[in-house]
Amino acid sequence: DVKVTQSSRYLVKRTGEKVFLECVQDMDHENMFWYRQDPGLGLRLIYFSYDVKMKEKGDIPEGYSVSREKKERFSLILESASTNQTSMYLCASRAGTGWNIQYFGAGTRLSVL
Amino acid sequence: AQSVTQLGSHVSVSEGALVLLRCNYSSSVPPYLFWYVQYPNQGLQLLLKYTTGATLVKGINGFEAEFKKSETSFHLTKPSAHMSDAAEYFCAVRDPGGSYIPTFGRGTSLIVHP
Repeated sequence: DVKVTQSSRYLVKRTGEKVFLECVQDMDHENMFWYRQDPGLGLRLIYFSYDVKMKEKGDIPEGYSVSREKKERFSLILESASTNQTSMYLCASRAGTGWNIQYFGAGTRLSVL
Repeated sequence: AQSVTQLGSHVSVSEGALVLLRCNYSSSVPPYLFWYVQYPNQGLQLLLKYTTGATLVKGINGFEAEFKKSETSFHLTKPSAHMSDAAEYFCAVRDPGGSYIPTFGRGTSLIVHP
């Protein structure tokens, strides 16, 4: 069965802290994605990666960075967390291109105080 | 460029009533279309997708959607709502020949009353 695992369901951090959100998939997928989900705004793409060590900016990359050192793991990094980064973060993975669908993790709800 | 519009951020129905969630898209080419569902405190899971072929697509849990090119629509329906259908629903569109990155709508929250 397909599995995308996000390391934390809930996270509380303080303003200015460096925050790591981890995502692991067990399907050997090439593509991985980080989204941010806010009420009324739907899903907005932060970054995606189509291969190890490769990354591309999405629609809202400011204030975030990513790391993909291994195929199965894609990390989202908040260099200096701010209160406006309080949100639900969703990771997804997908095999190749074509019409292959995305598989999502359960999400990490981050609160920055 | 592609975009997705979901009409109505909230839709409320009674149990047993018809469910209709609207999705309109804009795309320069015939797109791939998806509906995802998100239950409380969970990630998104695929309900159904349209790529090519038959325009009426059946998904899980009794949902179906019809691709209408002339109306640029991909509305989601279910004949009879169940309490367990209460969730957030997202429509997504992807250009088959483009960047392979889907664009998501803002979501519609389905509320089911007993």
